[in-house]
Amino acid sequence: RKEVEQDPGPFNVPEGATVAFNCTYSNSASQSFFWYRQDCRKEPKLLMSVYSSGNEDGRFTAQLNRASQYISLLIRDSKLSDSATYLCVVKAGTGRRALTFGSGTRLQVQP
Amino acid sequence: NAGVTQTPKFQVLKTGQSMTLQCAQDMNHNSMYWYRQDPGMGLRLIYYSASEGTTDKGEVPNGYNVSRLNKREFSLRLESAAPSQTSVYFCASSELRATNEKLFFGSGTQLSVL
Repeated sequence: RKEVEQDPGPFNVPEGATVAFNCTYSNSASQSFFWYRQDCRKEPKLLMSVYSSGNEDGRFTAQLNRASQYISLLIRDSKLSDSATYLCVVKAGTGRRALTFGSGTRLQVQP
Repeated sequence: NAGVTQTPKFQVLKTGQSMTLQCAQDMNHNSMYWYRQDPGMGLRLIYYSASEGTTDKGEVPNGYNVSRLNKREFSLRLESAAPSQTSVYFCASSELRATNEKLFFGSGTQLSVL
């Protein structure tokens, strides 16, 4: 079983739709969680951290469910510019080796 | 606002050839990393350097060597390239914070080994 699993998609949604992705992780000792965004053939960029109580940044909401070991990303009012691959990143323990990247979920927002 | 600069952007090698990927950051970060990204897989850590003068193996170090030349520069060397090393390589840097693992990535190197 992969340490971090994501549905690869693609998720095809119309503009204005609400879409949600989940990411499951296997290490119950995981401490920190993040969502990165990666545009086609570009480098990943941090979208947002995920806090225990859930957090929001504009149209984006991230949530953590420790009991079921998953994190989620909700995008409201989807824009064409949201089309990208969303990478789930989990950190278990300390040290530079502790980050594990999921393989990403691809979102395609259509006009 | 250069951030993390890596070169080259594209490279084609024959099996057995060697090459060095260069990476430099201008954000005064202590930590630097090399990742590879393959289809259907997440980014995997090859080597990292927590600070100038130190380097450590990541998840997939075999076939690679690194050099932390100074605080700015962190290079990745393939001594004898193999087809299994065909991948997209990303250099990254960060300034470790307790709660915010923000990595800054270079634009990537598409490497093909024939």
